[in-house]
Parts: sequence; C-alpha cells; structure tokens
Amino acid sequence: EADIYQTPRYLVIGTGKKITLECSQTMGHDKMYWYQQDPGMELHLIHYSYGVNSTEKGDLSSESTVSRIRTEHFPLTLESARPSHTSQYLCASRRGLAGGTDTQYFGPGTRLTVL
Amino acid sequence: AQSVTQLGSHVSVSEGALVLLRCNYSSSVPPYLFWYVQYPNQGLQLLLKYTSAATLVKGINGFEAEFKKSETSFHLTKPSAHMSDAAEYFCAVSDLSRGSQGNLIFGKGTKLSVKP
Repeated sequence: EADIYQTPRYLVIGTGKKITLECSQTMGHDKMYWYQQDPGMELHLIHYSYGVNSTEKGDLSSESTVSRIRTEHFPLTLESARPSHTSQYLCASRRGLAGGTDTQYFGPGTRLTVL
Repeated sequence: AQSVTQLGSHVSVSEGALVLLRCNYSSSVPPYLFWYVQYPNQGLQLLLKYTSAATLVKGINGFEAEFKKSETSFHLTKPSAHMSDAAEYFCAVSDLSRGSQGNLIFGKGTKLSVKP
C-alpha cells in the first residue's frame, strides 16, 4: 500500500484565486513528481524534484510552481487560477534507485475545477 | 531516447474473454518497463514491472506481461476478463538518458471496457 497522500481530493474554486495542492509521502522517497491529466487522457509531467531544495519543470509547460522544503512534502501552487487549469493533478514519488528499476507510487489525485 | 506506444486507445472485451493490451517500446539500452492501472477518480497503481530478470512477469489481479526483445513489445494479458478490470491502463518505460535518473515515460493509455 502506497503511503502518499493528496489534499484536497476535489476542489471547486473561482477564477483568480490562489490555491495550493498538497502532497505528502511517508516513505522517505527522494524523488517526487506532479502530473496533470485531463479525464481519460494521457499523463503530462509538469514538475519534479530529486530532493530537498531541488525542483525542475517537466515536459508540459505549467503556470504552477512547486517547492520542496522537506523530503516528505511537495506542494503545488497556482497564484491565480483560471478555467484552463481545470484538470486532475496526480502526485507521485519513488525512492530513486540508480537505473530506474524502483516502483513509482501515486497519490489518489486532486480534481480541480476553476469556474 | 526511450518511448512507448500503446496500440488502441480503447479496447472492449466480453466478460470471461482474453484481455490483450499492446505496448511497444523504443530504447537504445535494455529497458525497464512498467504497467499501471487507473480506476476512475483514482491515482495509478502498479500492475507489474520488468527489470531484466524473467521475461514473463506476473502481476496483481491475474495480469501478466511478456518482454519480447525481438518484437520490442511488452504486451499485457489476462486469460479471463472480469467486470472489475474495466479501467485505464498505462505502459511506461524508465528514461535512462543522461540526467533523467529513471523518470518514467508513459504511453497515452488504453481504456479497457468489459461487457457482461
């Protein structure tokens, strides 16, 4: 069972609001990821981190920002939400073994709707 | 660079029938391959992974996949579909390019429907 948590699970918010999506894992994993996924569609990597104070942008350009101050915590922030940000956001983590053989675990996701 | 291609965005089978979901990979080095399942309104869950040990890999829920280097394939199968297998399935490969540190590259997914 994966110990990775996301809150809130569902969020409906108005345009222009600042929001923070929380992601926490209790497995001590170094590597963490944020993906954006429209319903029934492919995953797009938007941010990743290889450890504390390390953050990188992913393949899909995103207006969101992330921080990694603690190993277990990787929050995603949108300064001013817009309807185009409506999507599902998935957080994931892995230990980060050399060679990439370790399992990547996913949280349950946050479904964001911006009105 | 590594990549995966999932053939068929939507597969429909009858309950009790064979499930076959196709995944082909491209890699200049021996790949590490994964299959994940996503149920509605949930995150992804690992079904199985190939990490260069046995070429036939058994996973959870009766699924298995066979790594075939000659065909660059890693197709997912289950002998008899169950209604509870209806979900989205993603094939992925570890990105072993310099600096990537094994980040996963996902296919576009295949939605499996199971008819009663």
